[in-house]
Amino acid sequence: NAGVTQTPKFRILKIGQSMTLQCTQDMNHNYMYWYRQDPGMGLKLIYYSVGAGITDKGEVPNGYNVSRSTTEDFPLRLELAAPSQTSVYFCASSYRDTEAFFGQGTRLTVV
Amino acid sequence: QKEVEQNSGPLSVPEGAIASLNCTYSDRVSQSFFWYRQYSGKSPELIMSIYSNGDKEDGRFTAQLNKASQYVSLLIRDSQPSDSATYLCAVIGAGGTSYGKLTFGQGTILTVHP
Repeated sequence: NAGVTQTPKFRILKIGQSMTLQCTQDMNHNYMYWYRQDPGMGLKLIYYSVGAGITDKGEVPNGYNVSRSTTEDFPLRLELAAPSQTSVYFCASSYRDTEAFFGQGTRLTVV
Repeated sequence: QKEVEQNSGPLSVPEGAIASLNCTYSDRVSQSFFWYRQYSGKSPELIMSIYSNGDKEDGRFTAQLNKASQYVSLLIRDSQPSDSATYLCAVIGAGGTSYGKLTFGQGTILTVHP
């Protein structure tokens, strides 16, 4: 059972480039989340989804976009990368309002 | 007011002592509350979930929930050096624009010294 899978694990982007962080889960969870975590800080919610076709902004959505066309996948798109987006990104999923399970994270550096 | 707020820490306790971690939340209709542990460089992992007022015990861990006071706590008994980590309180919103939104506190760093 793979759980929540994030790709890539590491990435270096140049300023102005774009990329998509992939997240997929095989637990048939309806809720999915994207967070960023800066060094020494807590988790900040970027976007979340309570089901396919439904997405909502979290605390820090600027500079990011998401889509949820299937239950399994919740990709996060970075447009025009900036140094302020250097962070560790975590994807998580849960069955409704029960405990969330996390992926291994993507460490992104924008230079 | 922050949606989820933890006592700032850091918290340092001797091995064998009780560590007490506290959290308050702002969404009065929230029904689901969680404590996660995160080791440096790793993903958060669930320690406890609690949905009803009162205490819930699992081994050395006890979660306490008081919805009237909008307060959640975690007690770690017989603390071990391996418990040294960042502890994150999390709440799922249940009403209005917060429905389904899983929000974390800023975390409390716990160090258990031998």
